[in-house]
Amino acid sequence: GDSVTQMEGPVTLSEEAFLTINCTYTATGYPSLFWYVQYPGEGLQLLLKATKADDKGSNKGFEATYRKETTSFHLEKGSVQVSDSAVYFCALLMSQKLVFGQGTRLTINP
Amino acid sequence: EAGVAQSPRYKIIEKRQSVAFWCNPISGHATLYWYQQILGQGPKLLIQFQNNGVVDDSQLPKDRFSAERLKGVDSTLKIQPAKLEDSAVYLCASSLVGTSRNNEQFFGPGTRLTVL
Repeated sequence: GDSVTQMEGPVTLSEEAFLTINCTYTATGYPSLFWYVQYPGEGLQLLLKATKADDKGSNKGFEATYRKETTSFHLEKGSVQVSDSAVYFCALLMSQKLVFGQGTRLTINP
Repeated sequence: EAGVAQSPRYKIIEKRQSVAFWCNPISGHATLYWYQQILGQGPKLLIQFQNNGVVDDSQLPKDRFSAERLKGVDSTLKIQPAKLEDSAVYLCASSLVGTSRNNEQFFGPGTRLTVL
């Protein structure tokens, strides 16, 4: 079945460091890909998305590129802030069904 | 625009008791989803409604879980009887159907269930 594998956490970085959270997927068709973020005490929020190969999703300084050849959708940010501390989920959508990775907890220290 | 509302936010029960969760989706959203998020894991879809019909309930443990969406708006998810392994956050989400944004699901804050 369709699945998503994320980089194991937790990840701890210093403020202004470069961030990469790896995500790879397995799907029977051509899914849409998403990154969701869950801040402490809040619900899941859509961070960015890409609906076809080579699309780049971006939001709040975060970026991810849909790579069909490597079945990947890695999340990157050039300079993280303390406020980016959260749990990040990679997900794919097939037939209106979202399949999530296990999540990566990110902590940014000042 | 109001978001997806869920209640209660927290619930603690003993095993073998029953519990119910309520969800009010974003106004006009035809599709409603219930997810189970066990600690340290990503959300897993339990059931998907379109209006008041079930689209997918293949992951719903039907011996103890039930859900309904009367009149195609609010929804309730019930567990009876609860087991220890049902301890999780139950997330409700909704989405539009038939628009360019129909791929986006909007999530509520969730109900954290602890079964003792």
